[in-house]
Formats: sequence, structure tokens, C-alpha cells
Amino acid sequence: AQTVTQSQPEMSVQEAETVTLSCTYDTSESDYYLFWYKQPPSRQMILVIRQEAYKQQNATENRFSVNFQKAAKSFSLKISDSQLGDAAMYFCAYRSLNTGNQFYFGTGTSLTVIP
Amino acid sequence: DAGVIQSPRHEVTEMGQEVTLRCKPISGHNSLFWYRQTMMRGLELLIYFNNNVPIDDSGMPEDRFSAKMPNASFSTLKIQPSEPRDSAVYFCASSSGLAGYNEQFFGPGTRLTVL
Repeated sequence: AQTVTQSQPEMSVQEAETVTLSCTYDTSESDYYLFWYKQPPSRQMILVIRQEAYKQQNATENRFSVNFQKAAKSFSLKISDSQLGDAAMYFCAYRSLNTGNQFYFGTGTSLTVIP
Repeated sequence: DAGVIQSPRHEVTEMGQEVTLRCKPISGHNSLFWYRQTMMRGLELLIYFNNNVPIDDSGMPEDRFSAKMPNASFSTLKIQPSEPRDSAVYFCASSSGLAGYNEQFFGPGTRLTVL
């Protein structure tokens, strides 16, 4: 089974600064999807950004961007110009295309934004 | 679309009682997932369905847990009898099986407290 590893249980960043959250995964598949989800204190899981494995170009959504390194099986999230509202738990997720639409989540990184 | 709907939002019950959590996925989605989230164990996949059929229930902790999906628009997760260690937030999520950016859409969760 695929595994997703987030090695940083907690991170902090100064408001307006940039922070990078790490994610690695283990797979033998060549095609799949990767996602970053945000879970604020309200508990609602919100999609932040997605990446298709067959695309070499890194996905970008406003202040959020990823560094996708397929050979290294790495999928980090960069948050630029951090805002107080970015404080949340962030989950990295992998979607397999070969195992019945299965999703695999990492253990999450808790991000604190310091005013 | 109203998104994934879960009910109840909060449930407090006593040990030994039966608990039923409900989920209505997004119309047109053919995959449904049940997760449990606790501080100790993080986000755990309990079971998921494709086209109303259970595909993987290896995450269901014990025989006390059961899940059904009688049709494409409704699923239940039942715990009988409930125990204090079942206290957690239970999320339902749905996704489309079609090719594309098929992320999971999460419901707001049900916070279960077993006394």
C-alpha cells in the first residue's frame, strides 16, 4: 500500500513570511494525484491545491504553490506571504488510480502563524 | 450543491448505546469514505465504497462498527455497542470516479462523545 509521510508535526511562521511544509510518499505507480488539504479549527477539510503526477509543471494557487519532485517522491507545499488565517493543520494526500480510487493521507502538520 | 452532508453534527451518548452516523454524498459522486479523527491516531480511514459497494473495510476497528450504503445518496456508520474510546470526530467524504481532478470533498464531521 502507498504511504504518505509528513515529517514535521508542527511548524511556525512569522506573518508575511514564507513557509514550506514537507511531504514524501512511497509508491510504485506511475500515475496518481497529490493533494494538500487544510483543516482549520472549524474542523472542515478544505482542498488547498492539487497536482497530477504526469504534469511536470508545479501547481500554483495564489499564495500556495508546490514543489513536486516525482523521482524523489516529494511534494512540498510553500505558503508565501503567510496570513493569520493560514493557521491550521495541513494534510498531504495521495490518490491512487489503480486501487479503486483509494486515498492515503499523511499524519498532518500543524502550522502556527505568529503575528 | 450543498456539499457532503453529515448528521448529527454532535452526538453525546452513554457507553453501551447504539450510535448511527449519517452521510449524504455530493450528487453524482460514486465513491464514499468514512474517516475517524482523534488527537492520538490522527485521520484514519475506516471504510470506503465505490458505486455503493464496500471496497476496503480493513480500517474498521472492530465488529462493533458497521457501515452501509443502500443507495448512491446515503450511507450510515453504526457503532453498537459504543465505548468511550470511540469518542472522536467522524468524517464522511465523497469523490467522483471520473478522470480528472478528483479530490475528496469532506463533510463537516460528527463529533461523537461516548460517556
